[in-house]
Parts: sequence; C-alpha cells; structure tokens
Amino acid sequence: GENVEQHPSTLSVQEGDSAVIKCTYSDSASNYFPWYKQELGKRPQLIIDIRSNVGEKKDQRIAVTLNKTAKHFSLHITETQPEDSAVYFCAASSTRGSTLGRLYFGRGTQLTVWP
Amino acid sequence: DAGVTQSPTHLIKTRGQQVTLRCSPKSGHDTVSWYQQALGQGPQFIFQYYEEEERQRGNFPDRFSGHQFPNYSSELNVNALLLGDSALYLCASSRQGARTEAFFGQGTRLTVV
Repeated sequence: GENVEQHPSTLSVQEGDSAVIKCTYSDSASNYFPWYKQELGKRPQLIIDIRSNVGEKKDQRIAVTLNKTAKHFSLHITETQPEDSAVYFCAASSTRGSTLGRLYFGRGTQLTVWP
Repeated sequence: DAGVTQSPTHLIKTRGQQVTLRCSPKSGHDTVSWYQQALGQGPQFIFQYYEEEERQRGNFPDRFSGHQFPNYSSELNVNALLLGDSALYLCASSRQGARTEAFFGQGTRLTVV
C-alpha cells in the first residue's frame, strides 16, 4: 500500500519568514495530494491540494509543488503569521481503483510561528 | 450548510464496553470515511462507506464495524474496547467520482479507562 513520509516533524520560524514542509509517497497510482491544517482540538481543514497533472498551485501565501518523477510534494508558506501555527498534514490519494478516495497521511509537522 | 457533523464530541468508556459514534456528511456528499487519530499521529483510515456498503477497509480488527444509512449518514461501532482504542475518531465525507476532496468533522474524542 501507499506510504507517506513527512518532514520535518517540528518547524519553528520567525513571523514573516517562509516555511517549507516536504512529503514523499511510494505508490505511483496516487494522483491527488491534499494538505490539511489542524489546530489544537479542532478538525483537519483542507488548505490546498494538487493533482498529478499539475506541477504547482498557489493560493495567496500558500503554494504546493509536485514532482511526480521523484514522488515528492511540498507545502510552502510565505510571510508566515502567528495564526499559521498548527499541525500540518500531507496526504496522498487516488481518484481511481480499489483505494479510491482513501487518504494516506503523513505523521504531521508542528509549525510554530514566533511573533 | 452545516458541514460534516459528528456526535458525541467526547466520550468516556470502560474497557470491554461497546461504543457507537455518528456522522452526518456535508450536504451533497455520498461517501463517508472513518479515521482514527492517535495523539501526535496522522489520521489512520478505518473504512469507507458508499451506497450503504463498506467499500474499503484499513488495517483494523473486526471489532470495528460500521453502517451507512439511506440518507448517507454513518455510524462507527467498536466492540470490546481496549485502552489502545483511545483516540480522536474523525469522519470525512466526499463525493464519489473524479473529485475526492474530503471534508472532516470535528471528531469524537474517545477515552477508554
């Protein structure tokens, strides 16, 4: 089955700096890669996603890149703010086949943004 | 649109007991997946329901079972609770088909004592 690795497990940055979280996946059948933000005691919230036919996607201060050949994808947050502090999870999924819609998650990255 | 709703939000059970958790999917969604999130870990897939049938199952024992109703809502049942079943149980809803964005409920925090 799919295996998703996520690094780093913790990340501390100064407000205004950039943050980068990296994930790798193992199954070439995966073609959908969402990122979730989970604040303490709250539900995971989808913040951005990318599909395998696209190499990069941006939404304001957040961007995601995908390298299908190397099987890795990354989350980039620019101009970080204290409210960006949370646990971020990457995930991989397939839109077809026997594992349709099943999300395989990384172990998470605790991002702390210091004011 | 109320989004994905789960009940109860918190639950304390004793070892050996049985528990039922409930989930109402986001409006327009027909697929419900359940995940277990242990403290400090990423969510782990338990199973997925579509058209009232279990379509996929993760690496969880038969003590974990579920059901989906005609209105797409779902239940997760866990029998013979173990201390290790203590976790946040998340329900995610989505639509079958090409687009698979999943939206999560707020979860049920289960504590087994």
